[in-house]
Amino acid sequence: ETGVTQSPTHLIKTRGQQVTLRCSSQSGHNTVSWYQQALGQGPQFIFQYYREEENGRGNFPPRFSGLQFPNYSSELNVNALELDDSALYLCASRAGIEAFFGQGTRLTVV
Amino acid sequence: QKEVEQNSGPLSVPEGAIASLNCTYSDRGSQSFFWYRQYSGKSPELIMSIYSNGDKEDGRFTAQLNKASQYVSLLIRDSQPSDSATYLCAVQGRTGTASKLTFGTGTRLQVTL
Repeated sequence: ETGVTQSPTHLIKTRGQQVTLRCSSQSGHNTVSWYQQALGQGPQFIFQYYREEENGRGNFPPRFSGLQFPNYSSELNVNALELDDSALYLCASRAGIEAFFGQGTRLTVV
Repeated sequence: QKEVEQNSGPLSVPEGAIASLNCTYSDRGSQSFFWYRQYSGKSPELIMSIYSNGDKEDGRFTAQLNKASQYVSLLIRDSQPSDSATYLCAVQGRTGTASKLTFGTGTRLQVTL
């Protein structure tokens, strides 16, 4: 049990729709990162938030956006969904160096 | 060249044997190194972290780091069927975007009875 909770665990969306994924971090974990994991691949870094500011971004288009709230919970928003966005989305939180993942959200775009 | 490379496997070892998992990385500025275990359909679980050259042992797991060779490995002693999973190697830089985790594609380990 990592203390990092993601919701929902699964969802199905239609191409072109928008989706919001949520992450609740452990108390005191002021850094949250989001990753996308396609089938058979390692997780790919989307972006990172530290104390409510984005302080790092991977090679993802602007339709992937996020927020971190004062209680260190976080959201990942994806607009104009594409079929290739189907993946496991992982939230990782940390207070120091080690990152702990939530259980993930499995997104299927049809 | 991929930033973090792992043999995808599957690596098959008999129960009770030593499993050896290897990883190379390209960024010499990498500061921290991690091994995550991922069961099918689940999220990655941190099992080992290592920051300096040499060996680090935790129970049946030993992580080895050689920064000069840009090489990280994980040894699992007395392998059990419950160790069957995909093992992800991850490296991390220092700050900002560099402090992201960069993962390999993972090595699938099968421990046979």
